[in-house]
Amino acid sequence: NAGVTQTPKFQVLKTGQSMTLQCAQDMNHNSMYWYRQDPGMGLRLIYYSASEGTTDKGEVPNGYNVSRLNKREFSLRLESAAPSQTSVYFCASRLQGAGELFFGEGSRLTVL
Amino acid sequence: QQQVKQSPQSLIVQKGGISIINCAYENTAFDYFPWYQQFPGKGPALLIAIRPDVSEKKEGRFTISFNKSAKQFSLHIMDSQPGDSATYFCAASIADNQGGKLIFGQGTELSVKP
Repeated sequence: NAGVTQTPKFQVLKTGQSMTLQCAQDMNHNSMYWYRQDPGMGLRLIYYSASEGTTDKGEVPNGYNVSRLNKREFSLRLESAAPSQTSVYFCASRLQGAGELFFGEGSRLTVL
Repeated sequence: QQQVKQSPQSLIVQKGGISIINCAYENTAFDYFPWYQQFPGKGPALLIAIRPDVSEKKEGRFTISFNKSAKQFSLHIMDSQPGDSATYFCAASIADNQGGKLIFGQGTELSVKP
């Protein structure tokens, strides 16, 4: 049982390059989330998808876009990477709007 | 805007001691308060959670104390062990049909010395 799977686990980009972080869950969850984790800042919500076909901004959406491809998959795209986007990104999912949030193992992104 | 404030940022406790981490929230509509535990290189995992209709919840050595009037809640780890060394996050959310956004505190790095 894989749970929440994120790819890639590590990535180095140059300023201005674009990339997409992929996330898939096999728990038949309705809601999916993207967080970024920075030292001293905790986990900050970037975007979320309450259900298939919907997406909404979180606390720090600037510079990112998302796509809820289907019920299983939720991708995060950086169109023009900036050094301020150097972070560890976590995808998470939950059954509905309450209860346990399940996290992936994270994607460490460095923007030079 | 940080809606959940967590302290301390780091904590060192001797083996067998009590670890206490505190959180304060602003939004009185929050109705779900979990604590997550994160080991290096891993994603956070749910440790224990509480809803505001109770003032305390205990699971093994871990206890959440909740003070609704003060808008504060805390995690107590009794008989702390080196294996408890991790980063702990408090969080809060509104259980609704719009995704139940979970807002996290800044995290506390706990180190339990043998």
